[in-house]
Amino acid sequence: NAGVTQTPKFRVLKTGQSMTLLCAQDMNHEYMYWYRQDPGMGLRLIHYSVGEGTTAKGEVPDGYNVSRLKKQNFLLGLESAAPSQTSVYFCASSYSEKVTGELFFGEGSRLTVL
Amino acid sequence: GQNIDQPTEMTATEGAIVQINCTYQTSGFNGLFWYQQHAGEAPTFLSYNVLDGLEEKGRFSSFLSRSKGYSYLLLKELQMKDSASYLCAVMDSNYQLIWGAGTKLIIKP
Repeated sequence: NAGVTQTPKFRVLKTGQSMTLLCAQDMNHEYMYWYRQDPGMGLRLIHYSVGEGTTAKGEVPDGYNVSRLKKQNFLLGLESAAPSQTSVYFCASSYSEKVTGELFFGEGSRLTVL
Repeated sequence: GQNIDQPTEMTATEGAIVQINCTYQTSGFNGLFWYQQHAGEAPTFLSYNVLDGLEEKGRFSSFLSRSKGYSYLLLKELQMKDSASYLCAVMDSNYQLIWGAGTKLIIKP
């Protein structure tokens, strides 16, 4: 009963390095999201996907790229990490954004950029 | 702009009742959500309101007044495990979720 799984859980990067966060869900959800959570701020949407092969920009997309090649996976990439990208990243999925269904979140990935 | 306001921190006593308020100003309204987030963990869904009134679910209740742009989460018979942050989120007319910064609830014995 995995739900939403994120890897890695923790990562430390140097400025300019690249990395990819992987999100996998086993609930056959159409919608997947990447959020970042910073102290004193609400969750902010980075990118989202409404189905396999689709992606769209959220509130704070700059510096990030995403891909949804398979329905169950949603990847978040940082091409050239910056200290401002130090944050906790949450992946979430839902059956449909227009249904009153809840979001199911992964456990989070804590990223530090030095 | 769109914004969600909720108190930063609240303290309550084990066994008591606490009300966490949330006010919002958004472009349209398609429902209001409450999530619970324990420190270092993922948010988990608590409640959803789209019509005015009170929704009760065990020890937790959520109230909505759309005309006032206001909601509250009521927690009864507080337990130590209720110590967490409580996130208010509103779905706007584009079905985008706007999140509040969360209210950290501290329960004292």
